[in-house]
Amino acid sequence: KAGVTQTPRYLIKTRGQQVTLSCSPISGHRSVSWYQQTPGQGLQFLFEYFSETQRNKGNFPGRFSGRQFSNSRSEMNVSTLELGDSALYLCASAQTIGEETQYFGPGTRLLVL
Amino acid sequence: GESVGLHLPTLSVQEGDNSIINCAYSNSASDYFIWYKQESGKGPQFIIDIRSNMDKRQGQRVTVLLNKTVKHLSLQIAATQPGDSAVYFCAASSASKIIFGSGTRLSIRP
Repeated sequence: KAGVTQTPRYLIKTRGQQVTLSCSPISGHRSVSWYQQTPGQGLQFLFEYFSETQRNKGNFPGRFSGRQFSNSRSEMNVSTLELGDSALYLCASAQTIGEETQYFGPGTRLLVL
Repeated sequence: GESVGLHLPTLSVQEGDNSIINCAYSNSASDYFIWYKQESGKGPQFIIDIRSNMDKRQGQRVTVLLNKTVKHLSLQIAATQPGDSAVYFCAASSASKIIFGSGTRLSIRP
């Protein structure tokens, strides 16, 4: 069974631009969570999607948004990029919502210049 | 607020020795704990988990110990190998809300 895949793996943007990241969960998994990982803050929860609906949200500004499609694939969007948005963005999938064991993708490394 | 912290940001171990990575959590209602391994350029990989009704769980070369009295858990890696080099972090879950620790970087000396 294929693992969680994320595209693109690397991305360079400039301040003010917007970016969309994509995540395909493990086949059969219906919950997708997004995390931001930085050296100083560690793993910070962004949001969780299940059945195309955002079920939980972390403490991030409205510039961070996401969505989930009927095939459980998910996208995350960041608008008006700031330098501080440079991070590794990780997607994790689980079989169902609230499932504690999550499986992570390789991440998308975003650099904002 | 709730927090999960690792005791040491870095740990250097001689190849073949045992490694012990420690983690403390603040929420006494946490009932599920996970250890992840993250190698350079990769996402976190599930290693082992433990529920609060247990105090020890063993996997292949890894053991997790849970002390609920002092809200502490540890990951023990037996016979550490070069392939164990990575950042290890713990996570604590309560009512399906998961808090991650910041990670301990384990390096192996030949």
